[in-house]
Amino acid sequence: DQQVKQNSPSLSVQEGRISILNCDYTNSMFDYFLWYKKYPAEGPTFLISISSIKDKNEDGRFTVFLNKSAKHLSLHIVPSQPGDSAVYFCAAKPGYSTLTFGKGTMLLVSP
Amino acid sequence: EAGVTQSPTHLIKTRGQQATLRCSPISGHTSVYWYQQALGLGLQFLLWYDEGEERNRGNFPPRFSGRQFPNYSSELNVNALELEDSALYLCASSPTGGGGIYGYTFGSGTRLTVV
Repeated sequence: DQQVKQNSPSLSVQEGRISILNCDYTNSMFDYFLWYKKYPAEGPTFLISISSIKDKNEDGRFTVFLNKSAKHLSLHIVPSQPGDSAVYFCAAKPGYSTLTFGKGTMLLVSP
Repeated sequence: EAGVTQSPTHLIKTRGQQATLRCSPISGHTSVYWYQQALGLGLQFLLWYDEGEERNRGNFPPRFSGRQFPNYSSELNVNALELEDSALYLCASSPTGGGGIYGYTFGSGTRLTVV
């Protein structure tokens, strides 16, 4: 039972364009939604998050959108840079509990 | 400030043996989490320790066990190793309470290879 789903294993984007990574969830008890970025041979690093009471959160080039009725969130990266090439994990959790991760989407930004 | 440190970086074991993985959280963090990342899969939750107590356990067999020490460091033990246990094992830490909207800080992981 996969509660957090990232249906696109990979995404290729040209430098300067927008990258949109998508994530769907099934558990309506999730309170927090987070995006992590992972480079090979490193641990995931926190990127941006949003609570269930909001529908948008922005931090520089990164914006996360939450659509609770559709149980869908997305991460927008504008403009995309080659250094953004990494695996992006969507994760979610109810209040006092543990993060459930999706399988990740590998983003490749080409010059 | 030191991040989450894990040791060893790499570990090679024979099927049937036991593996012990170690994790030191960020200073001031009392929660430690263990995740397994097997090839082609996402991060699968293993164990959560908070204030020395096991708070939650993922869907893994009992041969995966661990503990948290008084200084909040933690170790993960995997008994009777199977080939399918080959994976990257990630440790993370957070302040007590599950991390909230800021989530966890991860270490770089221990790559366990079972031959």
